[in-house]
Amino acid sequence: DAGVTQSPTHLIKTRGQHVTLRCSPISGHKSVSWYQQVLGQGPQFIFQYYEKEERGRGNFPDRFSARQFPNYSSELNVNALLLGDSALYLCASSLIGMGNTGELFFGEGSRLTVL
Amino acid sequence: AQSVTQLGSHVSVSEGALVLLRCNYSSSVPPYLFWYVQYPNQGLQLLLKYTSAATLVKGINGFEAEFKKSETSFHLTKPSAHMSDAAEYFCAVKRGTGNQFYFGTGTSLTVIP
Repeated sequence: DAGVTQSPTHLIKTRGQHVTLRCSPISGHKSVSWYQQVLGQGPQFIFQYYEKEERGRGNFPDRFSARQFPNYSSELNVNALLLGDSALYLCASSLIGMGNTGELFFGEGSRLTVL
Repeated sequence: AQSVTQLGSHVSVSEGALVLLRCNYSSSVPPYLFWYVQYPNQGLQLLLKYTSAATLVKGINGFEAEFKKSETSFHLTKPSAHMSDAAEYFCAVKRGTGNQFYFGTGTSLTVIP
């Protein structure tokens, strides 16, 4: 079975631009989460979506938004890019429900560089 | 608030030596705890998880971790390091009411031949 897939794998943008990152979860997983990992740091929680509804939001500005589609894939959008948005953006999917610990399965990430 | 602290941002061990990576958690209730590994330019891979079923948890690649409530610790160990263990290791705690994970700052493991 395919794991979590993310696209694009690498991208370069300039300050002020907008970026859209995409994620396809593992088949059967209805929860998708987004994390930002700045170089040398642990991943920081941005959003969680479950059944197409936002179920959690981390401490990120409104420039960050996301959505989940009926097929459970997801997009992360970042507007008005800043240099500090340069990071590895990780998507993770999980099973949510009784008896599940909800462990995260990560994709390989989208590395965003803002110049 | 639930969080984890990883002591030691860099750990070096000789090949064949014991690996010990430290993680302490802060939580008002028994948490779900995880160890993830990240190889260069890759995503995170689950090593093992604690879900209150057993205090000694065995994971993949010979790693294990012991949950010690009295010490609020969940240290990761491996009896004998292999060159392929060189990577970044993250301890994480999951919030009980949701699915938000809080990661430590990571420990970079170097294995010396």
